[in-house]
Amino acid sequence: EIVLTQSPATLSLSPGERATLSCRASQSVSSYLAWYQQKPGQAPRLLIYDASNRATGIPARFSGSGSGTDFTLTISSLEPEDFAVYYCQQRSNWPPGNTFGQGTKLEIK
Amino acid sequence: QVQLVQSGAEVKKPGASVKVSCKASGDTFSSFAFSWVRQAPGQGLEWMGGIVPIFDATNYARKFRGRVTITADESTSTAYMELNTLRSEDTAVYFCARGGNAFVLVPDVKPSYYYDMAVWGQGTTVTVSS
Repeated sequence: EIVLTQSPATLSLSPGERATLSCRASQSVSSYLAWYQQKPGQAPRLLIYDASNRATGIPARFSGSGSGTDFTLTISSLEPEDFAVYYCQQRSNWPPGNTFGQGTKLEIK
Repeated sequence: QVQLVQSGAEVKKPGASVKVSCKASGDTFSSFAFSWVRQAPGQGLEWMGGIVPIFDATNYARKFRGRVTITADESTSTAYMELNTLRSEDTAVYFCARGGNAFVLVPDVKPSYYYDMAVWGQGTTVTVSS
């Protein structure tokens, strides 16, 4: 089973700053990696799919990069509503399945 | 616009079973992959398994194999997740999620599919307590 490791566990930044979140896979997942944002009491929201494609309605300040085993989610200039928990997730084509990283909490400094 | 509406909260005793539903509105139901993901209190997300109705295909995470059954009723555009032999550690919010890409059934071609999660239900709280 592919294991995803996210770092850091917690990131403390101020509005307007740049956020860089990392996700590392235990083996290559090609570009089959997604990023989700989750706020307390809410369902996750898809931000990025296939490593670098923004989902519908996601602001341009969110961007994803990487392939193989190392991936990055970047938020160029933090807005107050961006403080949340972020998860990466990989999808396998065979056998079909998914795993999530343990999450990065982005908190206001 | 597609929406997923899940059934209400459940309280169950250890050893019992729970069945959660997820009704989809909007796009053609059977062409999409549906996943079930759970989140224990204060914990991360855990993929349990999924179904792709057009291929009559189901897949389960190793951890849940033998204890979870995922089904779909195309006539009502509803996906279901049944978890058996409940224990206190199964206390969690259970989410259904639908993929963003529609799959096509091609005769004599082996289905190729994956589980992406573009649209999410609101979540169903399942509490297991004696």
